Amino acid sequence: DGGITQSPKYLFRKEGQNVTLSCEQNLNHDAMYWYRQDPGQGLRLIYYSQIVNDFQKGDIAEGYSVSREKKESFPLTVTSAQKNPTAFYLCASMEQRNTEAFFGQGTRLTVV
Amino acid sequence: GENVEQHPSTLSVQEGDSAVIKCTYSDSASNYFPWYKQELGKRPQLIIDIRSNVGEKKDQRIAVTLNKTAKHFSLHITETQPEDSAVYFCAASWQSGGYNKLIFGAGTRLAVHP
Repeated sequence: DGGITQSPKYLFRKEGQNVTLSCEQNLNHDAMYWYRQDPGQGLRLIYYSQIVNDFQKGDIAEGYSVSREKKESFPLTVTSAQKNPTAFYLCASMEQRNTEAFFGQGTRLTVV
Repeated sequence: GENVEQHPSTLSVQEGDSAVIKCTYSDSASNYFPWYKQELGKRPQLIIDIRSNVGEKKDQRIAVTLNKTAKHFSLHITETQPEDSAVYFCAASWQSGGYNKLIFGAGTRLAVHP
């Protein structure tokens, strides 16, 4: 079954803890993206990557970090520096520039 | 920085009416404009897209228009049906330094009433 998979679906974090969200794709896509979705604010770009071992900050990168050690994997770490981490996080991948972006099913992170 | 603005934030129509959602973008280098539909509890999915060398594109009941001079693009849904109810996002894409950046608008919640 091909596609892009995010895990876990729901995640709870205590204040002050780092947490890592997984994103894996078997579509052989080069580009991968992380977005944060809050009510009324659409999808805001956190980080994006075009190739292995390289990535760029998006519009709201503060308090987040990523890695791209493998083409198929683009994990996102929400650090304790992120002051308001409770949100819905979406990962996406794209085969070539200016083509359809495929989204994972999302991870809902809640700080408790 | 780059920005995509989307209006309205909510839209309510009667079944069979048309719905129009408008977006503007800030970066003139933007060259690809997709529209995504997100149903409740589901992931966004592409419904139509348009490239900068095209002014209009239609796919059955949905159409998209692009005005590059004004940096405007719009989604038009005709003969709306209850299953069209969802959140719609516009987006703009451009290339910089070998990277492909994709920015979304804030979304429009469309409600189609029977």
